Amino acid sequence: ETGVTQTPRHLVMGMTNKKSLKCEQHLGHNAMYWYKQSAKKPLELMFVYSLEERVENNSVPSRFSPECPNSSHLFLHLHTLQPEDSALYLCASSQDPAGSSYNSPLHFGNGTRLTVT
Amino acid sequence: AQTVTQSQPEMSVQEAETVTLSCTYDTSENNYYLFWYKQPPSRQMILVIRQEAYKQQNATENRFSVNFQKAAKSFSLKISDSQLGDTAMYFCAFMKLDAGNMLTFGGGTRLMVKP
Repeated sequence: ETGVTQTPRHLVMGMTNKKSLKCEQHLGHNAMYWYKQSAKKPLELMFVYSLEERVENNSVPSRFSPECPNSSHLFLHLHTLQPEDSALYLCASSQDPAGSSYNSPLHFGNGTRLTVT
Repeated sequence: AQTVTQSQPEMSVQEAETVTLSCTYDTSENNYYLFWYKQPPSRQMILVIRQEAYKQQNATENRFSVNFQKAAKSFSLKISDSQLGDTAMYFCAFMKLDAGNMLTFGGGTRLMVKP
C-alpha cells in the first residue's frame, strides 16, 4: 500500500544546505505528523497538523520548519542542520484530527533517511 | 510524562515457533491506549495490535496477541507460528485518552525469525 508517500527516500546534505522533505497522503485523512527516528532513541513526535493547522510543536529547533499547504501534503524544510540531526524522518497521517484516535490509527510512510555531513 | 520501556533490544525465534516481546510503561493515567507497531526493512511502520486500558480482555489479531497486565503496567506481544515475514523492529507505544495520535514509543525490539 502506498497511502503515504515520502520523497526523497534518501538525502545527504551539508550543514549549510537548504532542503525539503515531502510527504503526500492519498487516504483522505485530516491530520498529518512528522516523527524523527534516531539510531539510539525512541521515535519522537516533532509536529502535528490537524486540518492544515499546526496543533503540536514538540520543542523542535527552528532549523526544522514544517509546512502544510493542504490536508494531503506536508513538508519539512531543513536549513543549517547539525550532524546529530541525521535520522530517519517518518511522516504519518490519520483520519481523526483530534480527540480519541483509537479507531483512527496512524498510517506511516517509508521515511526519508537523512544524513547531514 | 509517560515512558515506555522495551528491555529486549534483539530477539530471535525459529520459524513456526512462538515468541514473546516485553513492554512496560509508566503513567499516572487510568485510561489510555497501548499499541504494537512493526517496522520491516521497508521502514514503514505498521500497526499490529492495540489495546484499550479499560478492557480486561486481551486483544488478539490472528497470530498476534497481547498479555495486558494493568496493575503491573506490562503489555507484552506474543507472536505464534512465527513466519519469516515477521522479521522486523517491533515498537510498543502508549497514548493518553483523547490525545490525538500523540504516541510515546519504546526503543524497539529487533526480531529475527530464522528458517
